[in-house]
Amino acid sequence: AQSVTQPDIHITVSEGASLELRCNYSYGATPYLFWYVQSPGQGLQLLLKYFSGDTLVQGIKGFEAEFKRSQSSFNLRKPSVHWSDAAEYFCAVGVLYGGSQGNLIFGKGTKLSVKP
Amino acid sequence: EPEVTQTPSHQVTQMGQEVILRCVPISNHLYFYWYRQILGQKVEFLVSFYNNEISEKSEIFDDQFSVERPDGSNFTLKIRSTKLEDSAMYFCASSVSGNGEQYFGPGTRLTVT
Repeated sequence: AQSVTQPDIHITVSEGASLELRCNYSYGATPYLFWYVQSPGQGLQLLLKYFSGDTLVQGIKGFEAEFKRSQSSFNLRKPSVHWSDAAEYFCAVGVLYGGSQGNLIFGKGTKLSVKP
Repeated sequence: EPEVTQTPSHQVTQMGQEVILRCVPISNHLYFYWYRQILGQKVEFLVSFYNNEISEKSEIFDDQFSVERPDGSNFTLKIRSTKLEDSAMYFCASSVSGNGEQYFGPGTRLTVT
């Protein structure tokens, strides 16, 4: 069955430090992969996506993620964290059915706290 | 920038009552979705909708749930007889294509008492 695992429930980093949030997926075909961010009381904002091609994808707010098929991973990175990055981050895999339409399966999320 | 909107932002209802959650997807999008997030848990898929019919639904989406696109702009989720365990944040999403990125609304927090 398809699934997404985010092994870190809560991560705290210092402002200006680098960040890596882990995501592993289980999916039988070539995955569509997404990272979303949710600030308190807000909806889900798309940070970046991977469909095909270059395995290093750039997103908004200075985030990037690397798709590694051999490791079934899609880790999110940022070289220098800002206090405004404190939020919850969700990795998701797009599951296709009928060849054309899919829904998203989400991981449980990683809450990021940023220390001054 | 166009965005998905949802109303109300918070709905409190008594167990057994019917609720309708409303969403206005992005105007040129054709695929619509409902997800829910129980407090402290992950976001779960409920249903997808395309061409005026349900495309896929999860096991959560039982007979108590229904969706409708009553006009050219709104997309609604109805829970016929709410239960305590329906308390959650409900997110609407839309996408241009069925396998493209989905854009989420801010959510409706449903509290069933």
